[in-house]
Amino acid sequence: EVQLVESGGGWVQPGGSLRLSCAASGFTFSSYEMNWVRQAPGKGLEWVSYISSSGNTIYYADSVRGRFSISRDNAKSSLDLQMNSLRAEDTAVYYCATPAILTGTEFDYWGQGTLVTVSS
Amino acid sequence: QSALTQPPSASGTPGQRVTISCSGSSSNIGSHHVYWYQQLPGTAPKLLIYRNDQRPSGVPDRFSGSKSGTSASLAISGLRSEDEADYYCAGWDNSLSGVVFGGGTKLTVL
Repeated sequence: EVQLVESGGGWVQPGGSLRLSCAASGFTFSSYEMNWVRQAPGKGLEWVSYISSSGNTIYYADSVRGRFSISRDNAKSSLDLQMNSLRAEDTAVYYCATPAILTGTEFDYWGQGTLVTVSS
Repeated sequence: QSALTQPPSASGTPGQRVTISCSGSSSNIGSHHVYWYQQLPGTAPKLLIYRNDQRPSGVPDRFSGSKSGTSASLAISGLRSEDEADYYCAGWDNSLSGVVFGGGTKLTVL
């Protein structure tokens, strides 16, 4: 069974840092591109970052570029998102996902999400 | 403001057919496949349609997708109460080098 399990969310003050992790299992993690997607309370889905299967290609949304850093460890089947200089508008549920948009197939898996709250 | 434009709301009565539109540009829908997700409150998005009009196994054939030029649409026929949810279109955008989502459409079954 494919599973993506996020961890690391919580409360942080503006300007602070947080590191999210996603543990993958049930599939060959090293073969799949991965995304982080977030959803602010009561709002729509927002793509955050992309990393290729090898980790050599990385993209970020304009809203987080320069503050967030995505990385992966294929040996450990894990995906991370280092978030620095956090702002109130970064408050959201963060999903780790290997969406169909990247696979081009019906292989589409999302974690349960982890809530990040940025507030003083 | 989302790169893909969806109506914020839609509604229908049980048994009706409802369509949700998604408008984009040449850098996203015009160049790439469209995907549709259903999201129930408090849960992760669920894939409904991939590559414009393909249904994953387990998704009822009441759901169908289409694409023409820089627009796409999701149709739900035989509307049921359990279809009440938020629906998002999505795809890749060349200009942004990333995934773009529509703003979401809240479907209400009256």
